[in-house]
Amino acid sequence: DAGVIQSPRHEVTEMGQEVTLRCKPISGHDYLFWYRQTMMRGLELLIYFNNNVPIDDSGMPEDRFSAKMPNASFSTLKIQPSEPRDSAVYFCASRRPDNYGYTFGSGTRLTVV
Amino acid sequence: LAKTTQPISMDSYEGQEVNITCSHNNIATNDYITWYQQFPSQGPRFIIQGYKTKVTNEVASLFIPADRKSSTLSLPRVSLSDTAVYYCLAPSGSGAGSYQLTFGKGTKLSVIP
Repeated sequence: DAGVIQSPRHEVTEMGQEVTLRCKPISGHDYLFWYRQTMMRGLELLIYFNNNVPIDDSGMPEDRFSAKMPNASFSTLKIQPSEPRDSAVYFCASRRPDNYGYTFGSGTRLTVV
Repeated sequence: LAKTTQPISMDSYEGQEVNITCSHNNIATNDYITWYQQFPSQGPRFIIQGYKTKVTNEVASLFIPADRKSSTLSLPRVSLSDTAVYYCLAPSGSGAGSYQLTFGKGTKLSVIP
C-alpha cells in the first residue's frame, strides 16, 4: 500500500500563474478530501468527493480554486491565477468505506511569490 | 459537528504517561470521537477512534466517560518521537456531512529528554 500520493512535494510559482496539485488516493477508498494548512488558519477543508462526485465545495476560498476527480484514482486542485496568500501546504486525504480513519498524503508545499 | 476544546500545549518528560483531555460538551448521539497526530512537514495520521468506554490499540488508549462530554487520549511512556500536534475531533456518523473532519488548533505535545 503506497498510501495517498501527492505531487509535487514543493511548488514555487509567480503570482498570476496557474498551479495544479495532484493526488492519487488509496485504491478502494470512496471519499477524497482536499485540505489547506497555514499557521494562521490551521487545517481547512476545501472540498470533498464521494465516488468521484463533488459533495461539498463550500470551503473553496474563491472562484480561482477548482477541483476535479475524473476517476477513482486521480484528483486535481487548480489555482488560477495564483496569489501570494495562497501559499500554504495542501493535503489530500482519502477514506475507507468503513470510515476507519482518513489517510493523508505528505502534502504539497506551495509558495507563490 | 461537535465543537471540541483541548489544551494548546503540553510538556512531558520521556518515559512518562501523557493524558490529553478534550472537551466536547455538545456532542450528539451520532457523533464519535477520533484523534489524529501530526508531525512537522507531514499530514495528520489517524491514531484512535471510539464512541464510548475505552478503546486501546498499539499506539494509545482512548477513555470516554458515560456522558461522552469529554474524552482522554492516553499515550503510555512517551518518547521524543511522540513530539507532535494531537487533534481531537468529533465528526458525525450520519446525515449530511457525516464523517467530515473539521480540525481545531490541536494540542502541541513536547517531549523533553
